[in-house]
Formats: sequence, structure tokens, C-alpha cells
Amino acid sequence: DTEVTQTPKHLVMGMTNKKSLKCEQHMGHRAMYWYKQKAKKPPELMFVYSYEKLSINESVPSRFSPECPNSSLLNLHLHALQPEDSALYLCASGRQAADTQYFGPGTRLTVL
Amino acid sequence: SQKIEQNSEALNIQEGKTATLTCNYTNYSPAYLQWYRQDPGRGPVFLLLIRENEKEKRKERLKVTFDTTLKQSLFHITASQPADSATYLCAPYPDRDDKIIFGKGTRLHILP
Repeated sequence: DTEVTQTPKHLVMGMTNKKSLKCEQHMGHRAMYWYKQKAKKPPELMFVYSYEKLSINESVPSRFSPECPNSSLLNLHLHALQPEDSALYLCASGRQAADTQYFGPGTRLTVL
Repeated sequence: SQKIEQNSEALNIQEGKTATLTCNYTNYSPAYLQWYRQDPGRGPVFLLLIRENEKEKRKERLKVTFDTTLKQSLFHITASQPADSATYLCAPYPDRDDKIIFGKGTRLHILP
């Protein structure tokens, strides 16, 4: 299996909702990433997990909460989001941190 | 501060010609530089990695050069096709925080 999968593909949520984004890879990669991407902008790094430990948090608001239950799974828990958080959320993995990254298809999030 | 600059927001090239995209960086000493392709609404896809001690790398119709004196990488697509139309992102590594950061990308349009 050589791909990164993300669910759901699309998510619409209100500002008071709690939801989670999920990411999975079975390539044996030990680094996993969350990125946020707005239209016509490059991916913006949010979090990096290395060997299941959070190694980088790019000063992301606490309404975004990452979780790495095991080496294949990465979650992003969402709570009390703002409309400006609407974006494409991308998950990526790599053999190690700063190695080539393999991206999932993304979750298109809309916050109403 | 560290900066990554990619040439122009959009580049229009006639089908069959060679497309050349530029990535300039400042206040970096990258050990390597990567190029990714991104289609609208999709995650980036890794294309090529070139190391600081390599001048040139090729893969099929793609060629990347790396000039550490000029602090520049050039990405060439020969015999371009409409299917090559996409946004191309460069990503030097590491930045001062040991991360991979993406440039803003160049949107390439191959005109039939």
C-alpha cells in the first residue's frame, strides 16, 4: 500500500461542532504531518509527529488538537472553529521527518 | 529572514516547448531541495529531489538543476503537454528550524 488516505473528503461544520479528521498510511513511515492550505497559497505546516511524538507545533490555535494513536494513524480534532479555518487540510507522511513527503488527497473543510 | 521565491504567479507555455520554472532562496543553506506538483484540490505529489552536491537530476521529461552559488534551482519540463498544467512547488530543506517549507508555487499552463 503506497498511499495516504484521508477521511472525510468534505466536511461542513458549525462553529460549535466537534469533529475529527483522520489520516492513515501503511508505508511504515515514522513521520506524519498536518498542513492547512488556503486557495492559491502553499501548504502551511501545522504539526509534525516523529515516531508518534509531537515534534513540531507551529503555534496552531488550541481549537486544533492533533493525535497520533499509532504509527499508521493521525487524527486532527476540531472544536469551536472559525469561518477563517475553512481550507483544505492535508496529511502527509515520510520515512523520517524532513524526508520526502507523501500527501493524502486532503479534506475540504467548510466552517459556517 | 529566510525566503523562497518562485517566478511569477502563472506561466503560459506552448505545447511542445520547454517550460522552465525558477526557485530562488535567501538565508538558506539547503542540504537538498525538492520539487512537487499540485493539481487543484489535490495534495502535492513528489517529483524530484536534488542534493547540494548534485548539479543536475533527470527523470523522464523532467530536469532539475541546483546552483548553490546563485542560491537557485531550475525545474525544466521538456516537450511539454497540456497534462503538465499544474502548480509546481519547490521546497528547500532545512530551514533554520529544521523543517521543510514550501515556496508559493508557480502555476503552469501548457497551451494546446
